[in-house]
Amino acid sequence: QKEVEQNSGPLSVPEGAIASLNCTYSDRGSQSFFWYRQYSGKSPELIMFIYSNGDKEDGRFTAQLNKASQYVSLLIRDSQPSDSATYLCAVSGDSNYQLIWGAGTKLIIKP
Amino acid sequence: NAGVTQTPKFQVLKTGQSMTLQCAQDMNHNSMYWYRQDPGMGLRLIYYSASEGTTDKGEVPNGYNVSRLNKREFSLRLESAAPSQTSVYFCAIGDYNQPQHFGDGTRLSIL
Repeated sequence: QKEVEQNSGPLSVPEGAIASLNCTYSDRGSQSFFWYRQYSGKSPELIMFIYSNGDKEDGRFTAQLNKASQYVSLLIRDSQPSDSATYLCAVSGDSNYQLIWGAGTKLIIKP
Repeated sequence: NAGVTQTPKFQVLKTGQSMTLQCAQDMNHNSMYWYRQDPGMGLRLIYYSASEGTTDKGEVPNGYNVSRLNKREFSLRLESAAPSQTSVYFCAIGDYNQPQHFGDGTRLSIL
């Protein structure tokens, strides 16, 4: 059974600090990795995707991928109260048409 | 979420009733997906359609059927609703090894 693991949280971070969210996956064959943000009562929204080892930056967000260690992380710099949400990690599965989802980490940014 | 339209947004059913959830896209993606999300949990794949004319089971297909009517539309049918099917249902679209994009969801309660 292929799995994606995330700490459920809540992760509490002061406003302006860096929030670090982590995700581990079991399938060494996974090729694509995604971070989604989900506000309460809303649908998941894509934030970042990464395919290669290393870092990928987009504004305040950085995705980091380490295939050897089978983890992917999301860093949020200068955290804002509007970043408070549940963050879902998703990894490509057996078929690259499917994604395997983590249960999400709840992030709370304290003003 | 422009691009993926789900209907209805809310529905209350009695046990044993049937209904069809509709999903339509205007983004020309080949693949379409149906997920369910229960409170505090991640997304679970019910069925997906990698391309027009094909459908495949996901993690939790029991009690559901799907139809890929054409490239734009993918419907999910509950033949005999059960209280365990109370959930939020999301339709998503995507392509091979690409991110998925979600509709706003259907909130379904079965009494």
